[in-house]
Amino acid sequence: AQSVTQPDIHITVSEGASLELRCNYSYGATPYLFWYVQSPGQGLQLLLKYFSGDTLVQGIKGFEAEFKRSQSSFNLRKPSVHWSDAAEYFCAVGGTSYGKLTFGQGTILTVHP
Amino acid sequence: DVKVTQSSRYLVKRTGEKVFLECVQDMDHENMFWYRQDPGLGLRLIYFSYDVKMKEKGDIPEGYSVSREKKERFSLILESASTNQTSMYLCASSLLGQGSYNEQFFGPGTRLTVL
Repeated sequence: AQSVTQPDIHITVSEGASLELRCNYSYGATPYLFWYVQSPGQGLQLLLKYFSGDTLVQGIKGFEAEFKRSQSSFNLRKPSVHWSDAAEYFCAVGGTSYGKLTFGQGTILTVHP
Repeated sequence: DVKVTQSSRYLVKRTGEKVFLECVQDMDHENMFWYRQDPGLGLRLIYFSYDVKMKEKGDIPEGYSVSREKKERFSLILESASTNQTSMYLCASSLLGQGSYNEQFFGPGTRLTVL
């Protein structure tokens, strides 16, 4: 069965600092990987996705993620965090039929001024 | 612009009531999904549908049912609401395709409180 682990429940960074959110997955074949962001009281918005090809993928809002098959990881990064990035971030893996996704537990990001 | 709408943002119901949560998408997507979101547990799939009148159980279907009579509409039903069903409910939709490389588009969510 596929699974996703986000080891960090809550991360706090200062505005302007770099950010890395960790995601580890378990899946038997080539995974399809996603990062979503959820602002308070809102639904989820797709930040970026990986299907194949270049293992470094660029997303919206200045985010990027790197797929590392050997480590079963898909970590999300941003070089300089803005206060508006404060939100909850979800990593997800897919690969079964009908477009089902399995989500991680989420990481809450707090940004200090 | 892609849009998934949910009938209510906030809902308060009493134990034992029958509850309907409605979701509508305007993207002509085949797949539709219902999740519940609880702190520390992420999103858990309740039911999904890949076609009109077709439904499949997700990871936590107990206490829920669904209905999909039209392609654009997917309803989640709580036959007899209980306090442990107090949660945020998220609807999503996606195109039908091979594998899971189709992005899911989410609605704003319905925060349900059962008293």
